[in-house]
Amino acid sequence: NAGVTQTPKFQVLKTGQSMTLQCAQDMNHEYMSWYRQDPGMGLRLIHYSVGAGITDQGEVPNGYNVSRSTTEDFPLRLLSAAPSQTSVYFCASSPFEGGFYEQYFGPGTRLTVT
Amino acid sequence: KNQVEQSPQSLIILEGKNCTLQCNYTVSPFSNLRWYKQDTGRGPVSLTIMTFSENTKSNGRYTATLDADTKQSSLHITASQLSDSASYICVVRGTSGTYKYIFGTGTRLKVLA
Repeated sequence: NAGVTQTPKFQVLKTGQSMTLQCAQDMNHEYMSWYRQDPGMGLRLIHYSVGAGITDQGEVPNGYNVSRSTTEDFPLRLLSAAPSQTSVYFCASSPFEGGFYEQYFGPGTRLTVT
Repeated sequence: KNQVEQSPQSLIILEGKNCTLQCNYTVSPFSNLRWYKQDTGRGPVSLTIMTFSENTKSNGRYTATLDADTKQSSLHITASQLSDSASYICVVRGTSGTYKYIFGTGTRLKVLA
């Protein structure tokens, strides 16, 4: 199993550009989520999905869109990049939402918006 | 407000020495507490998951303790190795609210030869 994979690993965008961060998992997990990690702050939840076709907002959803057309993939779209979105983005998955299920994180995408 | 606070922010120790990292939380109601290890440039990797009824849990040289009454947890690393250099993140899962995982800011550990 590859686990959770993310592409690209690094990205530089200009303000106003759009892009999609890719996330895929091969563990047949129902629950997937996107976090951002900023210096001096804990990881913050952007969007999450409890299964194909179902998504919901997390703590910091503004400026981001998601969709979940398959169990495996959960892309994160930046609609119009802003410098405030400079961060490291992590995708995570777990068998189901809730309880004591392990969360598996991808390697992250480091995004810089100039 | 649900919060998770970790101390110290950073720590430097010599290889072979032991160390203890602290985590205090105010998350209530509480489901479980997790410790993650995050190497530089990588995603977090789970070390332990503890429920409110568990006082101690070990994973190799890592031992986590939990006092649900005082809302405190610690992660003890025994006989540290250079590969233990990483950030250690405490995460508390609540049972209510939309954003159930509350992440601490981490303790950055550096092990020197």
